[in-house]
Amino acid sequence: DIFMTQSPSSLSASVGDRVTIICRASERISTFLNWYQQKPGKAPKVVIHAASSLPSGVPSRFSGSGSGTHFTLTISSLQPEDYATYYCQQSYSTLGAFGPGTKVEIK
Amino acid sequence: QVQLLESGPGLVKPSQTLSLTCIVSGGSISSGSYYWSWIRQPAGKELQWIGRIHTSGNTNYNPSLKSRLTISLDTSKNQFSVSLRSVTAADTAVYFCARYLVAGYYFDSWGQGTLVTVSS
Repeated sequence: DIFMTQSPSSLSASVGDRVTIICRASERISTFLNWYQQKPGKAPKVVIHAASSLPSGVPSRFSGSGSGTHFTLTISSLQPEDYATYYCQQSYSTLGAFGPGTKVEIK
Repeated sequence: QVQLLESGPGLVKPSQTLSLTCIVSGGSISSGSYYWSWIRQPAGKELQWIGRIHTSGNTNYNPSLKSRLTISLDTSKNQFSVSLRSVTAADTAVYFCARYLVAGYYFDSWGQGTLVTVSS
């Protein structure tokens, strides 16, 4: 099984800050890595797929990078609507696991 | 714009069977472009992909649940379902249905989620 870890588990940031979240895979997964945003009581929503691809409708302040086992999600200028929990998910293997999440809170 | 909506009991007794249905609108469940999936999330915990089904009939189940799990497709009603047998309190979670894009390798659409509590 491929396991995912994320750091930090939570962070506090102000509007306008640059935020970076790290995701690591226990094995090499090429660029089969997705990022989802989840707000309380809501379903997750994809913000990055294939490690660095931005889906239609997702603001350009979101970006992703990485390959192999190390990945990052960056929000270049945090907006009020970005406060949420972010999960990485590997799609290299069948039923790819999610990471434990990173909660982005208001500072 | 596809929409997914989960339905089913919110309370299930221990040792009984949890059954949920996901009604799909705005898109055909017979499309070969997607896997139709179930994901669950215990309160305050991470997401767990419990299984998926393709219109070809191919299914994949999480090994930790495989002996208790069945996912099925009803193309006539454009819906898919999950049954989890012999439930315990550990199965209490919000259950989401979702659409997984085969070519893109990611979930592009989700239901709102439904809380299922296992309790006597």
